[in-house]
Amino acid sequence: LAKTTQPISMDSYEGQEVNITCSHNNIATNDYITWYQQFPSQGPRFIIQGYKTKVTNEVASLFIPADRKSSTLSLPRVSLSDTAVYYCLVVGSSNTGKLIFGQGTTLQVKP
Amino acid sequence: DTGVSQNPRHKITKRGQNVTFRCDPISEHNRLYWYRQTLGQGPEFLTYFQNEAQLEKSRLLSDRFSAERPKGSFSTLEIQRTEQGDSAMYLCASSAEDRPGPGELFFGEGSRLTVL
Repeated sequence: LAKTTQPISMDSYEGQEVNITCSHNNIATNDYITWYQQFPSQGPRFIIQGYKTKVTNEVASLFIPADRKSSTLSLPRVSLSDTAVYYCLVVGSSNTGKLIFGQGTTLQVKP
Repeated sequence: DTGVSQNPRHKITKRGQNVTFRCDPISEHNRLYWYRQTLGQGPEFLTYFQNEAQLEKSRLLSDRFSAERPKGSFSTLEIQRTEQGDSAMYLCASSAEDRPGPGELFFGEGSRLTVL
């Protein structure tokens, strides 16, 4: 399984756009890039998944360059409630749900 | 749909006691997972059920741990002879076999275990 590398922590201010980059140099052809969000004392929540180029939903955008060795999660106009840990995972297309989480990126949004 | 439900949310026990956690998955989901999370770390996979069959167990699941899903609905995770190292958040997740994409699991809020 491809290992991911992401910053341990990031700070931002309310209203700013936040970009969290994840490196996955050994990503395989059938792997998807998946991001989860976790608030304190809650379980992780799936937020977005992509294979290539750009994916956007109501929560975030995911940018994946052509070589797929990295990806960027973009959170538009963050608020205090976006303070959380964000995990980048690489998941094979046939994965049955055995996910490998790293330490994630702790995002602190300040007023 | 009430999501994945876990009980109890918090459990404090003395070393050597047995504890049991229950997970009720989203009703139409046939896959159920248990993960463990310690402070400052990401969740770690423990085990996985498809319907009532336990299909995979992590080496983290020692002999003192047992998980069941007798009727393919709710699941229980029992820890016997608890040790202080068992203190963690135990997370349950579920998914449908025909889910939209790989890796999309629905997690409960977890059961936090403290072993004194």
